[in-house]
Amino acid sequence: NAGVTQTPKFQVLKTGQSMTLQCAQDMNHEYMSWYRQDPGMGLRLIHYSVGAGITDQGEVPNGYNVSRSTTEDFPLRLLSAAPSQTSVYFCASSGGTPGMNYEQYFGPGTRLTVT
Amino acid sequence: SQQGEEDPQALSIQEGENATMNCSYKTSINNLQWYRQNSGRGLVHLILIRSNEREKHSGRLRVTLDTSKKSSSLLITASRAADTASYFCATVHFKAAGNKLTFGGGTRVLVKP
Repeated sequence: NAGVTQTPKFQVLKTGQSMTLQCAQDMNHEYMSWYRQDPGMGLRLIHYSVGAGITDQGEVPNGYNVSRSTTEDFPLRLLSAAPSQTSVYFCASSGGTPGMNYEQYFGPGTRLTVT
Repeated sequence: SQQGEEDPQALSIQEGENATMNCSYKTSINNLQWYRQNSGRGLVHLILIRSNEREKHSGRLRVTLDTSKKSSSLLITASRAADTASYFCATVHFKAAGNKLTFGGGTRVLVKP
């Protein structure tokens, strides 16, 4: 199993551009989530999904969009990039919600710079 | 806002020594999880401890949970250079929508050979 994969690994955008960060998992996990990590800080939840067709907002959803058309894929869209979105983005998946005592599996991250 | 706060923020020890880091949180939890992050990598799950558990072990790792003090500790015994990483606690709080994980800011551990 590849686990959780993310593409691209690195990306540089200009302010105002849009792009999609890809995330895929091959573990048949229902729960998927996107986090951002800023220097010296922990992870903050952007959006999450409890299954195909179901998404919800996390702590910092503004400027980001998600959809979940399949169990495997959970792309994150930046609608109009801003320098404040410069960060490292992590996708994670788990067999169930964290509240049901499931651990999360993380992808390797996408390092995004917005100039 | 961060519910889990790790202490210390950074820790430097010699190989073979034990490393202890603490996590405090503010509201009642379902469970608490510890993750490790090596530089430039994603997070790796270490241990999950449920709210009705007090201690768990996994290899050289020992986690305790004191719900009365709203705190947890992670002990790494006989540390190795490969244990150099950042360690994060993450909590799942009762009634949190979507049972979301909330991460603390992490403890950076440097194990010197």
